[in-house]
Amino acid sequence: GAGVSQSPSNKVTEKGKDVELRCDPISGHTALYWYRQSLGQGLEFLIYFQGNSAPDKSGLPSDRFSAERTGGSVSTLTIQRTQQEDSAVYLCASSPTSGGVPLSTDTQYFGPGTRLTVL
Amino acid sequence: KNEVEQSPQNLTAQEGEFITINCSYSVGISALHWLQQHPGGGIVSLFMLSSGKKKHGRLIATINIQEKHSSLHITASHPRDSAVYICAVRSYSGGGADGLTFGKGTHLIIQP
Repeated sequence: GAGVSQSPSNKVTEKGKDVELRCDPISGHTALYWYRQSLGQGLEFLIYFQGNSAPDKSGLPSDRFSAERTGGSVSTLTIQRTQQEDSAVYLCASSPTSGGVPLSTDTQYFGPGTRLTVL
Repeated sequence: KNEVEQSPQNLTAQEGEFITINCSYSVGISALHWLQQHPGGGIVSLFMLSSGKKKHGRLIATINIQEKHSSLHITASHPRDSAVYICAVRSYSGGGADGLTFGKGTHLIIQP
């Protein structure tokens, strides 16, 4: 069956531009997570969705970052006025149950990521 | 905030060797995860532990809650085990993102 997909796989943008990253979770998975992995840094949790709502947005690094999820399926992560420090691989994951908190007891299935480069 | 340290950062071994990767953390946790990230970026969740030991094929994960330490072992290592192994913890101390911390990963290379 289809796994988690993300698009685009690579995105190069100029500083100050807005970007949208898309995640298609595994069909039927209620929980969806966004992570960021910067060069030389570990994984960083950004936000997770339980259905269409995001109980916890505190991982978003600034108010330039926002995310939404519609129909309990596709999610988009939007970065406004991109900065060079936003360059990273943005990873999406989904799991079949919400679990209430990220990485608590549920296996997460990761997408291939979107590599964002801000020039 | 929980501090998660992994060791070694890099490990190169010969095929067949027994591999151990360590993870230590500073604050009590509710769960610890081991993740595997292959070249090209794909991430797979290997184990979730809250106590004791788990085994899956050639992989074994253990956790010692009192010592705040976990180990991931690979028996009869194979070149296809080459990947970055990441430890992640969910702390008791905070909710949401404040309670979720990742180690920086261990880059494992198994040579034939």
